[in-house]
Amino acid sequence: RKEVEQDPGPFNVPEGATVAFNCTYSNSASQSFFWYRQDCRKEPKLLMSVYSSGNEDGRFTAQLNRASQYISLLIRDSKLSDSATYLCVVNWGDSSYKLIFGSGTRLLVRP
Amino acid sequence: GAVVSQHPSRVICKSGTSVKIECRSLDFQATTMFWYRQFPKQSLMLMATSNEGSKATYEQGVEKDKFLINHASLTLSTLTVTSAHPEDSSFYICSASGVRQGSSSYEQYFGPGTRLTVT
Repeated sequence: RKEVEQDPGPFNVPEGATVAFNCTYSNSASQSFFWYRQDCRKEPKLLMSVYSSGNEDGRFTAQLNRASQYISLLIRDSKLSDSATYLCVVNWGDSSYKLIFGSGTRLLVRP
Repeated sequence: GAVVSQHPSRVICKSGTSVKIECRSLDFQATTMFWYRQFPKQSLMLMATSNEGSKATYEQGVEKDKFLINHASLTLSTLTVTSAHPEDSSFYICSASGVRQGSSSYEQYFGPGTRLTVT
């Protein structure tokens, strides 16, 4: 089983749509969870951390289910500029700064 | 603004030569720096973890004699790809972990990456 698993997509959605990405992780000791965004040929940029109670940042909502070892990202009212690859990232173990990256889910938002 | 810089952003070298990539944290002291490699259409793979003043910890399958890491100060880490071969062509990204001024939590900040092409 991969350490962090994501559906590679691509998800092709019209502007204004709502889209959700899911991710599962294998290490039950992980404590830190993130969604990063990566544009083509660029470095990853932190989109948001994911907290146990779930958190929202504008059009983006992240949820964590520790029992199922599952993380989700919901994007509402998609914009063309949201087109990118979204990386699910988990720290390795309970006190490690080592990050494990999922292979990413590609999102294409069309006009 | 950028908090981690990398230099060079792009390099082309001949097979058999060595290439050095620098990673600098610009406005904070990075106790730990990480080096990643990303092949096309694949995810970032951690190569090694570097702590200031000590030897780097390499991930399984990464040759420490080929990928030399030096973390001589709290703001600078270097990765040297020795005797580069075409299969080493990749996107190398560093990240720095620390607490920025005004922040209360450890975060990891990524450099812009270095695209290495070995001919």
